Amino acid sequence: GAGVSQSPRYKVAKRGQDVALRCDPISGHVSLFWYQQALGQGPEFLTYFQNEAQLDKSGLPSDRFFAERPEGSVSTLKIQRTQQEDSAVYLCASSLVLGGPMATNEKLFFGSGTQLSVL
Amino acid sequence: KQEVTQIPAALSVPEGENLVLNCSFTDSAIYNLQWFRQDPGKGLTSLLLIQSSQREQTSGRLNASLDKSSGRSTLYIAASQPGDSATYLCAVRGETSGSRLTFGEGTQLTVNP
Repeated sequence: GAGVSQSPRYKVAKRGQDVALRCDPISGHVSLFWYQQALGQGPEFLTYFQNEAQLDKSGLPSDRFFAERPEGSVSTLKIQRTQQEDSAVYLCASSLVLGGPMATNEKLFFGSGTQLSVL
Repeated sequence: KQEVTQIPAALSVPEGENLVLNCSFTDSAIYNLQWFRQDPGKGLTSLLLIQSSQREQTSGRLNASLDKSSGRSTLYIAASQPGDSATYLCAVRGETSGSRLTFGEGTQLTVNP
């Protein structure tokens, strides 16, 4: 597709339920990011992949959060035993490459997000 | 820890007005700064990216400036239109923060016809 695709668009979960959120990045994009955006806030970094390697997972808020990108394209963010504080929009973004200070093609392209509501 | 602040939090202007959105960051050791636009229920669209060695970038009616040493950036929108109504977010990539972007909380802009 032409852009970053995320599914489902909306997810309602009961507290304690496990959920899986999917991200299809732009074809050929090496870098993939997950961000969490609470209502009225800016996005907060969760994790970063370069191809299939998860290079940074320091933003994951607890060990209930797990992300994978096994073949270096599609990524899944899994949240186990969901809690009410997990309610947020989960955004996926991809970029062609993550370079050094002079990288000029580092623009991020975001999907529309998955809005997760935990009841 | 890098902190990004955007002022004002919300802004309402009549159509045709020129306006400035402000962004400040606490750690000047950055690789780049990006301005994004977010429409309700949508993801973010990158508007402008300024490298740390650059002073400004322009795209159409948008002009973004960067003063790295003082930790400030501005987004100037000329001749605003109702279609410009959205939330504008700035984000920095720090030299010590790896791959992550640190975002401000955004400025919600409303342009009234």
